[in-house]
Amino acid sequence: DVKVTQSSRYLVKRTGEKVFLECVQDMDHENMFWYRQDPGLGLRLIYFSYDVKMKEKGDIPEGYSVSREKKERFSLILESASTNQTSMYLCASLNTNGEKLFFGSGTQLSVL
Amino acid sequence: AQSVTQLGSHVSVSEGALVLLRCNYSSSVPPYLFWYVQYPNQGLQLLLKYTSAATLVKGINGFEAEFKKSETSFHLTKPSAHMSDAAEYFCAVSESGGNKLTFGTGTQLKVEL
Repeated sequence: DVKVTQSSRYLVKRTGEKVFLECVQDMDHENMFWYRQDPGLGLRLIYFSYDVKMKEKGDIPEGYSVSREKKERFSLILESASTNQTSMYLCASLNTNGEKLFFGSGTQLSVL
Repeated sequence: AQSVTQLGSHVSVSEGALVLLRCNYSSSVPPYLFWYVQYPNQGLQLLLKYTSAATLVKGINGFEAEFKKSETSFHLTKPSAHMSDAAEYFCAVSESGGNKLTFGTGTQLKVEL
């Protein structure tokens, strides 16, 4: 089975800190995604990447950036964390036939 | 532009009763439609998908969904609820396969004895 691993289950950071959320997949998938999940809002796409060093903005990219230096790893960066970025962050990768997303377990980020 | 509306943020059913979770979509092209499930403290898992083949789609754990173009709907059903079905369910639409999905706001399913 495909495994998508997010490095931290819970993170607590201070306002203004730079935050790195890491995601690794083990199935050589080309497309990877970062979503945030908030109660009542569902999942919203922040950024996605369709190849190494390639990225595209999703629906809510403001305040975030991403890095994809290796195919298996997709990092989400909060340059200067703010309280409104407190959320559950979910990473996903898309299988080869392009019809199934595999999700990590999520990182619950709290910004104080 | 694509969008999804899930009616009912919380649905409660008795064990053994019919489960019906509603999803309506908007898409400017023939859509790809998905249902994902999220169990507590886990990521999302694919339940089933519609990709322009049969309009009645069967998924895992006894769930199925019917694509109705005239109603722009893709409701999820299961004939008999089980306690293990308690989870949050998300409907999603894409105009480009599994890429760039737009998710609904989710429906929390509670199953009572």
